[in-house]
Amino acid sequence: EPEVTQTPSHQVTQMGQEVILRCVPISNHLYFYWYRQILGQKVEFLVSFYNNEISEKSEIFDDQFSVERPDGSNFTLKIRSTKLEDSAMYFCASTGQAGEQYFGPGTRLTVT
Amino acid sequence: AQKVTQAQTEISVVEKEDVTLDCVYETRDTTYYLFWYKQPPSGELVFLIRRNSFDEQNEISGRYSWNFQKSTSSFNFTITASQVVDSAVYFCALREMTGRRALTFGSGTRLQVQP
Repeated sequence: EPEVTQTPSHQVTQMGQEVILRCVPISNHLYFYWYRQILGQKVEFLVSFYNNEISEKSEIFDDQFSVERPDGSNFTLKIRSTKLEDSAMYFCASTGQAGEQYFGPGTRLTVT
Repeated sequence: AQKVTQAQTEISVVEKEDVTLDCVYETRDTTYYLFWYKQPPSGELVFLIRRNSFDEQNEISGRYSWNFQKSTSSFNFTITASQVVDSAVYFCALREMTGRRALTFGSGTRLQVQP
């Protein structure tokens, strides 16, 4: 069964460093998303991506964040200068024609 | 704006008990989707069900059943004869068709099933 994959599973970084989180969505899906979940809290939408551009973003997705689909398979989230409050689980998701959003296993980002 | 409320923060039951997780939503769209996801201790989000706003039929899948009531804006989830493996956080989510296409999640309900 096709699945969304994410790497790395856990990333530890120092405050102020740049991080890139990687995702490979399901191959025939067209919409891609990033969400984050601060420990013990709900899942929050960050950004959606369609047709090689951002289609929607939340108020969380400020200038520190960017997304890219550098090739036909990868979908990346970059945080330019990490802050302590960026520590969270980051989930990538993709949506097919039928509308289900399938989530990747997540990347746990720890900013020290 | 869309909103999903899961008023039950944590529920604890004993194995074989039935348990219902409540979900109430708000949206201005007349067309939308509702979802339930399971998040086990390992952290991934497991898709359980999607229901569109035109389909108010209840659904049953094994020990799981869902009760969608548009009149009360609720989409409740019942686990029959709960098992220890059902222990997880369960999230209800909403996706509008004309508004935000991303999912809006509730705050989740942590279910603990004791042996």
